[in-house]
Amino acid sequence: QVQLVESGGGVVQPGRSLRLSCAASGFTFNNYGMHWVRQAPGKGLEWVAVISYDGIYKYYTDSVRGRFTISRDNSKNTLYLQMNSLRAEDTAVYYCAKDDSSGYYYVSLDYWGQGTPVTVSS
Amino acid sequence: DVVMTQSPLSLPVTLGQPASISCRSSQSLVYSDGNTYLNWFHQRPGQSPRRLIYKVSNRDSGVPDRFSGSGSGTDFTLKISRVEAEDVGLYYCMQGTHWPSTFGQGTKVEIK
Repeated sequence: QVQLVESGGGVVQPGRSLRLSCAASGFTFNNYGMHWVRQAPGKGLEWVAVISYDGIYKYYTDSVRGRFTISRDNSKNTLYLQMNSLRAEDTAVYYCAKDDSSGYYYVSLDYWGQGTPVTVSS
Repeated sequence: DVVMTQSPLSLPVTLGQPASISCRSSQSLVYSDGNTYLNWFHQRPGQSPRRLIYKVSNRDSGVPDRFSGSGSGTDFTLKISRVEAEDVGLYYCMQGTHWPSTFGQGTKVEIK
């Protein structure tokens, strides 16, 4: 069965960096686009970034573009999110999610991980 | 960005009774391939979201048939034919047609 396990969250000061990981299993990782979605405390869901199955296409929401970098290692079945210049408003639970297609054309998230919490505070 | 507007935001329901959630988009969600990438998710307290419906009206594997999705263009609906206790939580619509993908605000379903 599909499993997505996030790690790397924690408490970090504003302006610092953090790298999240998502270990995937139960499906052919290099066939599918992958996403990061976040949820601030008590708030709704916000899509953050996508990477295509081959790692070529990447797209970000405006609020993180230039600060966050999504990447993947298909040899390790792992998705990453490098978060730099963190702000208080980045505080959220970060979910990785699998697309049911390539990640190039449209978004359709069929499986989600359990999430990893990130708190940005001094 | 495409704005997704759900209503109501809070929905008290009686066990065994039907429930309906509306989701409207600020632009048509018909993609160039003719499909409409509108999904519905359910999030129980303390859990990650689970997809219920994809492409407007297709139920995911294992989703009870009391859940149904309908709509077209900019106007979509999720219906629960008979609410059960396990259906409580937040429901979100999400459009995947336009970049960036966007979610509705969420509808909280609770038992009266």
